[in-house]
Amino acid sequence: SQQGEEDPQALSIQEGENATMNCSYKTSINNLQWYRQNSGRGLVHLILIRSNEREKHSGRLRVTLDTSKKSSSLLITASRAADTASYFCATPTYQGAQKLVFGQGTRLTINP
Amino acid sequence: EAGVAQSPRYKIIEKRQSVAFWCNPISGHATLYWYQQILGQGPKLLIQFQNNGVVDDSQLPKDRFSAERLKGVDSTLKIQPAKLEDSAVYLCASSPLRGSGSYEQYFGPGTRLTVT
Repeated sequence: SQQGEEDPQALSIQEGENATMNCSYKTSINNLQWYRQNSGRGLVHLILIRSNEREKHSGRLRVTLDTSKKSSSLLITASRAADTASYFCATPTYQGAQKLVFGQGTRLTINP
Repeated sequence: EAGVAQSPRYKIIEKRQSVAFWCNPISGHATLYWYQQILGQGPKLLIQFQNNGVVDDSQLPKDRFSAERLKGVDSTLKIQPAKLEDSAVYLCASSPLRGSGSYEQYFGPGTRLTVT
């Protein structure tokens, strides 16, 4: 069963614009993670946000977490062609678990 | 630091044949995972090892899939016999020991399996 659900399923924007994708989950968590997957490649960990954090930044990435709404968002600012990829949120099956459940992902396309 | 290694990268087999995938995790990582990723979907965990013991194999189709992690390092995932619906990318990932405070998983490049 999928815990995290990303929205939208696909997003196409122009280079230089910002991209926002959302994730909703169902159970209580102690952390939420975002991963990127380029076509034909494995997943790469982008950022982890803990349940006691509301916002976290890493370079051009900004992640927010609202535990009351069980939702998170990933913002990529000043997008580049290299950002074209699928983005997945992942949550542990229970607090403290290493086992992650992934959503079906958001397919992001950056047009030159 | 070397990443997670997987082989082969691609495999095409006929249904009812058998196939095996190999994974070498990041050195020192106690936990190893095998995921199945069907096209257009997120990865689904098949089995999780901690050292050489199975932690979770609740979603592993045990009638045809098997996995082992001898000596707590390398791992192999086998499918016998394969079905058409097994066509997917099989991803291996590793992470440090539970309780280390690190929750991130590190993925290999995956093996793309096509069953015809």
